Amino acid sequence: GQQVMQIPQYQHVQEGEDFTTYCNSSTTLSNIQWYKQRPGGHPVFLIQLVKSGEVKKQKRLTFQFGEAKKNSSLHITATQTTDVGTYFCAGSNAGGTSYGKLTFGQGTILTVHP
Amino acid sequence: EAGVAQSPRYKIIEKRQSVAFWCNPISGHATLYWYQQILGQGPKLLIQFQNNGVVDDSQLPKDRFSAERLKGVDSTLKIQPAKLEDSAVYLCASSSFLRQAGSYNEQFFGPGTRLTVL
Repeated sequence: GQQVMQIPQYQHVQEGEDFTTYCNSSTTLSNIQWYKQRPGGHPVFLIQLVKSGEVKKQKRLTFQFGEAKKNSSLHITATQTTDVGTYFCAGSNAGGTSYGKLTFGQGTILTVHP
Repeated sequence: EAGVAQSPRYKIIEKRQSVAFWCNPISGHATLYWYQQILGQGPKLLIQFQNNGVVDDSQLPKDRFSAERLKGVDSTLKIQPAKLEDSAVYLCASSSFLRQAGSYNEQFFGPGTRLTVL
C-alpha cells in the first residue's frame, strides 16, 4: 500500500531560525495536505496542494509540491515559539477510487527554544 | 460554527473489556472518518463514511472493531474485546460532501478520545 515518509522525525531550533520538513510518497499523489498538531491537541488543517510544482505561502510558511507529485516540503522562516508542534503531511493516491482517503506521514516534531 | 464533538475524552479499561466512542461531526458534513493515532505516529484511517455508507474500512480490524453511522450524522466506534495494543487516541474527523472518487476536501478533527488498555 501507499507509504508516506517524513524527515526529520525531530527538529530543535532556536527562535528565529528557519525550519524545513520533507515528505516523500511511495506513489504518485493526487494531492497533499499539511496539518499541524499542537502538544495534547488534534490535527488542524494548514493547506492543500494539488498541482505539480505548486508553491503556496502563508505568512512565514512556504509549501511546495514536487514536479512528480511524489514529494512535498514545508518551510518556516524565522520560527517563533508559537510554531511548536508536530507537522504532518497527508496524501491521497492519484487515480484512486477512494473518496478523500488520506495516508499520513509519521510527522516532524518541532521544538523552538526562546 | 461548532466543531467536531467527541466523547468521552478519556477512557481506561482492562484488556478484553469493551469500549465505545461517540462522534458528532460538523453540521452538514457528509463524510466522517475514524482514525487511530498511536503515540509518536501519524493518524491511521480506520473507517470512512459518506453519509451512512462505508466508503473505506480496509484498515479496520473487523474481528474486534465495529463502527456505524445509522442516520448519516453522528457515529459510534466500538472495540470488543480490547487488547493492550489498542491503547491510542481515537480521532474523529469530518469533511464536506465529496462528489466523486478521487476528490478531496480538508478534514476537521475532533479533540479525540484517549484510550488506555491495562
